[in-house]
Amino acid sequence: GESVGLHLPTLSVQEGDNSIINCAYSNSASDYFIWYKQESGKGPQFIIDIRSNMDKRQGQRVTVLLNKTVKHLSLQIAATQPGDSAVYFCAENIGSGTYKYIFGTGTRLKVLA
Amino acid sequence: EPEVTQTPSHQVTQMGQEVILRCVPISNHLYFYWYRQILGQKVEFLVSFYNNEISEKSEIFDDQFSVERPDGSNFTLKIRSTKLEDSAMYFCAGSQESNQPQHFGDGTRLSIL
Repeated sequence: GESVGLHLPTLSVQEGDNSIINCAYSNSASDYFIWYKQESGKGPQFIIDIRSNMDKRQGQRVTVLLNKTVKHLSLQIAATQPGDSAVYFCAENIGSGTYKYIFGTGTRLKVLA
Repeated sequence: EPEVTQTPSHQVTQMGQEVILRCVPISNHLYFYWYRQILGQKVEFLVSFYNNEISEKSEIFDDQFSVERPDGSNFTLKIRSTKLEDSAMYFCAGSQESNQPQHFGDGTRLSIL
């Protein structure tokens, strides 16, 4: 169920360190953004979302930052654990009556013990 | 935690045959979606479905494809006369509202021979 990742950027992080995964989104009209985690053989799992009227949102061990000026989204994972190893996708929705999500390419996170 | 369930996990079909991919969404979800992910590529939106009708579809979702919610619980994607390029992971998703996060199943891997 994962993107094979022949061309996926990879981030390798030492266990216990913080991870920052970046995403450049495509549409300046997008007003809702979501981060998904995809483990091998599984579907995308919702992590955290943020709306365009915010620039930061925190969850449990995760923080999403939104910079609309440069159309950039980031996911910060604190104290990265082996179970965080997966492919991470950002997705955007432009609202205005459209329900579809536009997904990014994905980043593979490898947590080193 | 409630889950989106997809069956089968892997479907192998001869080119030209029809396939039906099945999904059981989370019970309190009202909006339903199909996405696909061709090997090594991004997750792509196919169609959204609400109130027993298609609310939006992508250019991929041509006359070869159809969706149905036959019994109020299952949500199906039918592909008529399959082609080699239909080989992909197909993900079902659902949400409570159109502006709420979409929750995905683990997908059906469709292999067309």
